[in-house]
Amino acid sequence: KQEVTQIPAALSVPEGENLVLNCSFTDSAIYNLQWFRQDPGKGLTSLLLIQSSQREQTSGRLNASLDKSSGRSTLYIAASQPGDSATYLCATVRGRETSGSRLTFGEGTQLTVNP
Amino acid sequence: ETGVTQTPRHLVMGMTNKKSLKCEQHLGHNAMYWYKQSAKKPLELMFVYSLEERVENNSVPSRFSPECPNSSHLFLHLHTLQPEDSALYLCASSQAVGWSGGLDTQYFGPGTRLTVL
Repeated sequence: KQEVTQIPAALSVPEGENLVLNCSFTDSAIYNLQWFRQDPGKGLTSLLLIQSSQREQTSGRLNASLDKSSGRSTLYIAASQPGDSATYLCATVRGRETSGSRLTFGEGTQLTVNP
Repeated sequence: ETGVTQTPRHLVMGMTNKKSLKCEQHLGHNAMYWYKQSAKKPLELMFVYSLEERVENNSVPSRFSPECPNSSHLFLHLHTLQPEDSALYLCASSQAVGWSGGLDTQYFGPGTRLTVL
């Protein structure tokens, strides 16, 4: 059974810092890995999706990397802003499904960026 | 607006009550999902519907009963819940029917915060 772990559980940084969030997973047989953002009182928003054949994906100030062999992914946030404050969730996609996707989530990293 | 709405946003119920959570997606998707998010625990997949047919039940107790009357609506009927069922219940939808190469993206609603007294 896939287990996804995120470290740290919480992180507080001053505005402008570059930071790295970590995600590890036990079963390397994944089809992709996704990073989501969750704001209080709101649902999840997909940030980046890395296919198993890829090493990284970039969107603006966000860069996610994937190392399947070691079961690790990192989310790098450059020049952090107070608006980046949220909980960041990592999720792996298992198997080959013909009826939607099956995500296994980590517990998340709660990020606070202080002005 | 995410295109996936959930009502109510907050619900308080006693253990003997019967209530329902509603999810509606305006994205033309074919698959819909219920998740449970408890404090300090990862999101847990509860049910998956594809083309209005339930294709996955993740060992969910029978006091939770899902219903998908059409591809745009998903309900979660609740009865005789326990206090440990208090959590945030999230609905999601996605496009894929058929293998998408792992690129199927789920879109989430804001959730219903459920408290069972």
